[in-house]
Amino acid sequence: DVKVTQSSRYLVKRTGEKVFLECVQDMDHENMFWYRQDPGLGLRLIYFSYDVKMKEKGDIPEGYSVSREKKERFSLILESASTNQTSMYLCASSRGQGNQPQHFGDGTRLSIL
Amino acid sequence: QKEVEQDPGPLSVPEGAIVSLNCTYSNSAFQYFMWYRQYSRKGPELLMYTYSSGNKEDGRFTAQVDKSSKYISLFIRDSQPSDSATYLCAMSLLGVKETSGSRLTFGEGTQLTVNP
Repeated sequence: DVKVTQSSRYLVKRTGEKVFLECVQDMDHENMFWYRQDPGLGLRLIYFSYDVKMKEKGDIPEGYSVSREKKERFSLILESASTNQTSMYLCASSRGQGNQPQHFGDGTRLSIL
Repeated sequence: QKEVEQDPGPLSVPEGAIVSLNCTYSNSAFQYFMWYRQYSRKGPELLMYTYSSGNKEDGRFTAQVDKSSKYISLFIRDSQPSDSATYLCAMSLLGVKETSGSRLTFGEGTQLTVNP
């Protein structure tokens, strides 16, 4: 079974802090994704990566950056956290052939105070 | 207008009922269709994955795709309290590796409660 592991289930940070969310997958998947999930807005794609050191902006990249130095690890960075970034953050991975289903981690619930 | 429309519910049914969950979409280029189940405080898990119009069955679950109407459905037979969750539809374009074919467009999700 595919396993996508997010480093923290719950995280509380203060406005202005730099926040790192980590995600690791164990299936040698080429693609990795970061989403945020908010009530009434569903899942929104922040960034995705289709190869090591490669990234592409999603629908809401403002205020975020990403890093993929190794194939199995994809990090989401909030450069200067703000209260409107309080959300559930979900990481996913998929094989690189295109049109493959994505496999999700259990999410990080991030609160910015 | 959203590319994928899904009634958020909530939907409440008695145990044993047949449940019908639906999504409509506007982009006729969507070719691959998925259903995910998400329990409270967990990530979405893949339930069904289909390509092209028609039905696909897996145990108590049936996924149906009607491309001519741009409409997909998930049916749950003999529903159980353990089916209580949010169900999300997702779809992708027929695309090449790396970009368009890898992205999914999700519905908002329908919250389902099956009462014992």
